[in-house]
Amino acid sequence: QQQVKQSPQSLIVQKGGISIINCAYENTAFDYFPWYQQFPGKGPALLIAIRPDVSEKKEGRFTISFNKSAKQFSLHIMDSQPGDSATYFCAAGRAGNMLTFGGGTRLMVKP
Amino acid sequence: DTEVTQTPKHLVMGMTNKKSLKCEQHMGHRAMYWYKQKAKKPPELMFVYSYEKLSINESVPSRFSPECPNSSLLNLHLHALQPEDSALYLCASSQNRDSPYEQYFGPGTRLTVT
Repeated sequence: QQQVKQSPQSLIVQKGGISIINCAYENTAFDYFPWYQQFPGKGPALLIAIRPDVSEKKEGRFTISFNKSAKQFSLHIMDSQPGDSATYFCAAGRAGNMLTFGGGTRLMVKP
Repeated sequence: DTEVTQTPKHLVMGMTNKKSLKCEQHMGHRAMYWYKQKAKKPPELMFVYSYEKLSINESVPSRFSPECPNSSLLNLHLHALQPEDSALYLCASSQNRDSPYEQYFGPGTRLTVT
């Protein structure tokens, strides 16, 4: 019930391409879905987050798409750049409980 | 300002040593967290403090001892660690425990146990 499944584990994209990372959850009580970006040797940085009352949220080149009925959400990185190369974690949360993280996706953007 | 600071950045300690990790935030957050992160894995929750009181201990061995001296500071005291405890230790904070949303992480302390 608490699991969040993330795919793919690794992703290689050409510069300028679209990176897509998917997550699926089981617990319908989750009501907050953040994405974190982590560079090697650094802490995770909150990138963008969405609540289930909207189906999409966009911030710059980063977009979260949310499908409540399918219990899935995804991160799209438009015009991917080498500087976007990092590990991305999705997570799910609800009031009074801690965040549940996905397994992570290592993104490499080739110049 | 959404900054969480952690010291030291790196720490190497022997299995008989006693050391402490420190974390500080000035965002007025009342929930603070310790996570452990192994390579290529997501952060793993260790402890949660809510209003300076320990509210969650995820069955962490007693060789890890957390302390919250005040609402801005969080310490993690280490004693008699094992080599498998080598990891990145992350501190995080959020507005309060009932709203764990928008959790902000520090840069971490890279711990190596020899």
